[in-house]
Amino acid sequence: QSALTQPPSASGSPGQSVTISCTGTSSDGGAYNYVSWYQQHPGKAPKLIIYEVSKRPSGVPDRFSGSKSGNTASLTVSGLQAEDEADYFCGSYAGNNNLVFGGGTKLTVL
Amino acid sequence: QVQLVQSGAEVKKTGSSVKVSCKASGGIISNYVITWVRQAPGQGLEWMGTFIPFFGTPNFAQNFQGRVTITADGSTSTAYMEMNSLRSEDTAVYFCASGSTAYHPPDFWGQGTLVTVSS
Repeated sequence: QSALTQPPSASGSPGQSVTISCTGTSSDGGAYNYVSWYQQHPGKAPKLIIYEVSKRPSGVPDRFSGSKSGNTASLTVSGLQAEDEADYFCGSYAGNNNLVFGGGTKLTVL
Repeated sequence: QVQLVQSGAEVKKTGSSVKVSCKASGGIISNYVITWVRQAPGQGLEWMGTFIPFFGTPNFAQNFQGRVTITADGSTSTAYMEMNSLRSEDTAVYFCASGSTAYHPPDFWGQGTLVTVSS
């Protein structure tokens, strides 16, 4: 299966909202509602911030929200803060016990 | 919640093999689906394979079939990923991560192990 498609970069000013997309195909990563989003700071492991399209693990601020329409999942970060500057990756179930991840989006807080 | 602690960085020669360990604490590794993911320098995440305890056998991405072995030792709560015939493009950080089912991308991640392959 092919990697999920994410924009390479996104940016916003403190307090603004930014949305990052993650597009799959109807035959693999875009077909399922098992989409997760991860935040990764430089040199660190990815941290789960959204699972099953829109659910937040305990401790993740509600500024992070997820949605999905068709084959495209989206992550919205509201009320941008300096510490939100990081790489964001999506991951999805792709059928046949396979997983697929996106190429990542670098979020810059201006 | 389970914590995953991986073995240290490795430097390997082209054509050799590497084995990375991933020890679980705060839980029994056989209770979790263990996924291996790698990240080449400056690149995205690449799913390598997943070990599903219910099935007892791993599932691999096509790119890694035949070259990667994934195992788990319940007695030490440790998972292993071994890759052979290493090439320079295998230079990457390798992560183990745990999840609740094979359908869910993983929840908790190890700290990563840098594997550098050179001639």
